[in-house]
Amino acid sequence: DTGVSQDPRHKITKRGQNVTFRCDPISEHNRLYWYRQTLGQGPEFLTYFQNEAQLEKSRLLSDRFSAERPKGSFSTLEIQRTEQGDSAMYLCASSRTGAGETQYFGPGTRLLVL
Amino acid sequence: DAKTTQPPSMDCAEGRAANLPCNHSTISGNEYVYWYRQIHSQGPQYIIHGLKNNETNEMASLIITEDRKSSTLILPHATLRDTAVYYCIVFLMNRDDKIIFGKGTRLHILP
Repeated sequence: DTGVSQDPRHKITKRGQNVTFRCDPISEHNRLYWYRQTLGQGPEFLTYFQNEAQLEKSRLLSDRFSAERPKGSFSTLEIQRTEQGDSAMYLCASSRTGAGETQYFGPGTRLLVL
Repeated sequence: DAKTTQPPSMDCAEGRAANLPCNHSTISGNEYVYWYRQIHSQGPQYIIHGLKNNETNEMASLIITEDRKSSTLILPHATLRDTAVYYCIVFLMNRDDKIIFGKGTRLHILP
């Protein structure tokens, strides 16, 4: 059973650059979630998809953030014009609906904005 | 805001049972209690969940009080690899779209 995978695992970028992260959910999981976690805090919800539809976005997801899941499989999270405050761990999780909604998390992408 | 209250940290001797408490006094009748843990620099790992009855799996046991206002996660024989932050969450299965995490309990396993 392949778990949730994320790529890259680490990203260092300069302020103002754009970055894109990828998440591959557990196969046949139709729900995909993005969370952000800063140091010392629990993960915070950003957005989620059911199949290819983005159903909810948190207020944390500013205009510089965009997430897509074009074919209902993998998802990408893009941050434009990165700021130092974007430095965090970005976590992806997936689940099924109708069979319980236990969310399974990937290893995360750690972003450092210099 | 998270609907659970957990102690910020706990210690447990290696080989002993680790008992992690959680208060969820405002839990509603159809909300589940979930536990995840997060080992340093990794994504959260699902441990166990329950509604009313006590549950056990290969990782842990979950004891939920009869009034459902609190629960305890039990790691029966703690090892150094169990050192992690443990999150207790209430979640409305099949309806809630997102997990609201608190700060969890940082469990230190002492050799």
